[in-house]
Amino acid sequence: EDQVTQSPEALRLQEGESSSLNCSYTVSGLRGLFWYRQDPGKGPEFLFTLYSAGEEKEKERLKATLTKKESFLHITAPKPEDSATYLCAVQAAATDSWGKLQFGAGTQVVVTP
Amino acid sequence: GAVVSQHPSRVICKSGTSVKIECRSLDFQATTMFWYRQFPKKSLMLMATSNEGSKATYEQGVEKDKFLINHASLTLSTLTVTSAHPEDSSFYICSAEYMSNSYNEQFFGPGTRLTVL
Repeated sequence: EDQVTQSPEALRLQEGESSSLNCSYTVSGLRGLFWYRQDPGKGPEFLFTLYSAGEEKEKERLKATLTKKESFLHITAPKPEDSATYLCAVQAAATDSWGKLQFGAGTQVVVTP
Repeated sequence: GAVVSQHPSRVICKSGTSVKIECRSLDFQATTMFWYRQFPKKSLMLMATSNEGSKATYEQGVEKDKFLINHASLTLSTLTVTSAHPEDSSFYICSAEYMSNSYNEQFFGPGTRLTVL
C-alpha cells in the first residue's frame, strides 16, 4: 500500500531562518511526487512535480529535491508570507490508479517577523 | 498555472436536502477530475475519481448513492451530496489533471464549504 509520511508536523521559523521539510514515501512505482501549499480555507496551490531520483526544482525561495525514498522541500530565507501548510503527495504508476494522489498529513509552517 | 474553479464557495442547507457542487477547468481540458474531502486540520481524503464519459470510481467507504458524481464534459464535473446530514458538513475540494507528453500536473479548485444544519 502506498504511504506518505511528512515531518515535522509543525515548524516555527524566524524570518530569514532557512529550513527543510521532509516527505518520505513508499509506492509501487512512482509516476510523480507533488508538492502543494495550502492556506487556511483554500484549496491547495500547486508548487512542483518531481518524476525521478536526483531531480530538483526551484521556485522563488522554495527548492524541492527527490530521492528514491524521500523528498525535501527547502525553504531559503523564508518570509512571513511563506506561512502555510505544505502538502506532499505521490502518484503511482499503476494503470488502475487513474492518476490519483496519496497525500501526507502536511507540515504547518509559521514564519514570524 | 492552470485554473480550476468551484461553485459555490460556501453553502448552508437544511438536513435532508441535496446540494450540487460544480468543478470547472477554465483554461484546459481534463478527462480526469478528482473529488476530495478535508476535515479541520486534516489532510485531503480522496473520495472519487471522475472520468469524462464514464462512471466515477469511488474510494473504499465512500457511499456512491450519497455522493453522486457526473463528469459531463471535458471541463465540468459535479458532485451532488444527496439527502445531506450534519455529518456531511465538510470542506470539499476538486482537482483536475493537466497532462502533456512530458509532464503531468494536478490543479485544485478553491474548495466548497458545506454546512448542513
